Amino acid sequence: DAGVIQSPRHEVTEMGQEVTLRCKPISGHDYLFWYRQTMMRGLELLIYFNNNVPIDDSGMPEDRFSAKMPNASFSTLKIQPSEPRDSAVYFCASSHRAGRTDTQYFGPGTRLTVL
Amino acid sequence: DQQVKQNSPSLSVQEGRISILNCDYTNSMFDYFLWYKKYPAEGPTFLISISSIKDKNEDGRFTVFLNKSAKHLSLHIVPSQPGDSAVYFCAASLSNFGNEKLTFGTGTRLTIIP
Repeated sequence: DAGVIQSPRHEVTEMGQEVTLRCKPISGHDYLFWYRQTMMRGLELLIYFNNNVPIDDSGMPEDRFSAKMPNASFSTLKIQPSEPRDSAVYFCASSHRAGRTDTQYFGPGTRLTVL
Repeated sequence: DQQVKQNSPSLSVQEGRISILNCDYTNSMFDYFLWYKKYPAEGPTFLISISSIKDKNEDGRFTVFLNKSAKHLSLHIVPSQPGDSAVYFCAASLSNFGNEKLTFGTGTRLTIIP
């Protein structure tokens, strides 16, 4: 099992540019989560999907952020336009059941730097 | 508003000694708590969890203690090993949210000194 795959691993962009982060969950998992890690706030849940449907996007900071899951094996998190305060590590995680969340498996993350 | 707090950003412990990581929470509706471990350039991995109906859960060298009245939990690692050097995140979930959402703390960086 390859685990959760995220791309790119590092992204450096200039303020105002569009950024797209990608995630491939573990095959068979029906939940997908997007998190953002910063020093000040730790790990924050941005949005999560169940069976490709967004369930809770209350953590999405503002309209500049959007996420999609067109099929069970792919999700994107887009920031348009990007700002320096968006610089963080973005994690994707997946799990295979509802209920207790000890089965969330995280990808290696995408480190985003917005200049 | 940080509902899960880890007030110690870092902790250094001698190899072989006990490491104690602390976590406080403000929402009394949290009923399940987890610890995740994170190495550099990797995603967090699940370490150990505890339900609010218990006050202790043990898994090998790792023990989590829950004090509901104080809204406090701690992770004990005995004995500490160099491979335990990592960032540890405390997390909590609400039963009435179907358990999918996790609220994380800011993390504590543990360094084990050989």
